Amino acid sequence: GESVGLHLPTLSVQEGDNSIINCAYSNSASDYFIWYKQESGKGPQFIIDIRSNMDKRQGQRVTVLLNKTVKHLSLQIAATQPGDSAVYFCAENIFQGAQKLVFGQGTRLTINP
Amino acid sequence: GAVVSQHPSRVICKSGTSVKIECRSLDFQATTMFWYRQFPKQSLMLMATSNEGSKATYEQGVEKDKFLINHASLTLSTLTVTSAHPEDSSFYICSARVPGSYEQYFGPGTRLTVT
Repeated sequence: GESVGLHLPTLSVQEGDNSIINCAYSNSASDYFIWYKQESGKGPQFIIDIRSNMDKRQGQRVTVLLNKTVKHLSLQIAATQPGDSAVYFCAENIFQGAQKLVFGQGTRLTINP
Repeated sequence: GAVVSQHPSRVICKSGTSVKIECRSLDFQATTMFWYRQFPKQSLMLMATSNEGSKATYEQGVEKDKFLINHASLTLSTLTVTSAHPEDSSFYICSARVPGSYEQYFGPGTRLTVT
C-alpha cells in the first residue's frame, strides 16, 4: 500500500542467525511482488520477486513467502551476514491506468556481530 | 544485469534555481522509466511515469509544471526541478522497466539539497 511511515521499523539479529522481515500489502489485485534492499545513500537493489500464482520462491540465502489470504509477504534471510544490514522494502505491482510499483514502509535490518 | 545510471549523484542549488537530473538505462532500451522521491527514513514515493515519446503521467499531488519530465530517447529520461525550494530537498531515484516485464531496475539516486 501507500507508505506513510515517519520512522522505519527495525529488526536486529545476530550474525549467522536467520531473519524474517514482514510486509502487508493493500491491493488484492496485485499480481507481482518484489523485495528490494537499500543501503544508505543508494538506490534500491532487487533481491527476489514472486508472482501471485506462487506462495513461495527461493533464491540464494533468501526465501519469499506470499499469503494472499491475509495479503502478507515475508522475506527470510538465512545465515545473516554484516553485509545484509540495510533497509528492506517490499513492493507490489498494481495497475492504475498503467503498471506501477507501490512500496511498503520498509524495515531496517541491523546485523550484530 | 540491467544497469541504470543517474547524474549527478549529488547537487546543491540555491532557492529559485532549476536543477536537471538525468536517468539512463545503460544496457537496455526502456520505453518506460519512473521517478521517485524519498525523504529521510521514509519509503519511495512514485512521482511520475515517463514514457518515451509521450507526456509523463504524474501521480496525484505532484505538480507537473514544477517537476518537468522529458523522455526523449529509449535510454534517457530527465527530471527538471524548476524554481527549487528547500522543501524540494530530497533523494530522487529513477528506475527503468525492462520491456515486456514487470521488473524495474533502479538508479543510484540523486541527493538534491536546496539552500
